[in-house]
Amino acid sequence: AQSVTQLGSHVSVSEGALVLLRCNYSSSVPPYLFWYVQYPNQGLQLLLKYTTGATLVKGINGFEAEFKKSETSFHLTKPSAHMSDAAEYFCAVSDQNTGGFKTIFGAGTRLFVKA
Amino acid sequence: DAGITQSPRHKVTETGTPVTLRCHQTENHRYMYWYRQDPGHGLRLIHYSYGVKDTDKGEVSDGYSVSRSKTEDFLLTLESATSSQTSVYFCAISESTSGETQYFGPGTRLLVL
Repeated sequence: AQSVTQLGSHVSVSEGALVLLRCNYSSSVPPYLFWYVQYPNQGLQLLLKYTTGATLVKGINGFEAEFKKSETSFHLTKPSAHMSDAAEYFCAVSDQNTGGFKTIFGAGTRLFVKA
Repeated sequence: DAGITQSPRHKVTETGTPVTLRCHQTENHRYMYWYRQDPGHGLRLIHYSYGVKDTDKGEVSDGYSVSRSKTEDFLLTLESATSSQTSVYFCAISESTSGETQYFGPGTRLLVL
């Protein structure tokens, strides 16, 4: 069965510091992997996704993530945090086994950015 | 922004009453989903639809039913609301399934007293 684990329900960084949000997944077949961001009182919006091909994926707002099959990881990074990055981030996985419908979301990581 | 609206945006109701939430899309996407969001659980799939009148259960479907009579509308009904159904409900749409981005509505905050 698929599952997603996000390490750390809260992460705090200083403005300008590296952002690293960790995500590990389990899937018995090649996965589709996603990072979504949620700003207060809004729905989720896609940051980036991996389906096939290049394992380093670039998304919006300077974020990127690398699919590492051997580590079953899809960690999200940004070289320099900005105050506007404060939000909740969700890692998600789906795969062909479940018809793609059953996208499984992690519990989320709330990012705080200190001035 | 994908054209997805949810109504109502906020609702307070009493235990035992039926509640219907509406999701409306203007994107003509085939797939529609209802999720609930609770602290520490992320988003959990309640029901989904893969076409008009074609729906199926997600992982937390007990106590919920759905209907889709038109491509653009997907209704979620809490047959007899309970306090455990207090949550934020999100509708999402996608053009297809595997690997496709889901686009989310703004959410409905439901409080069951």
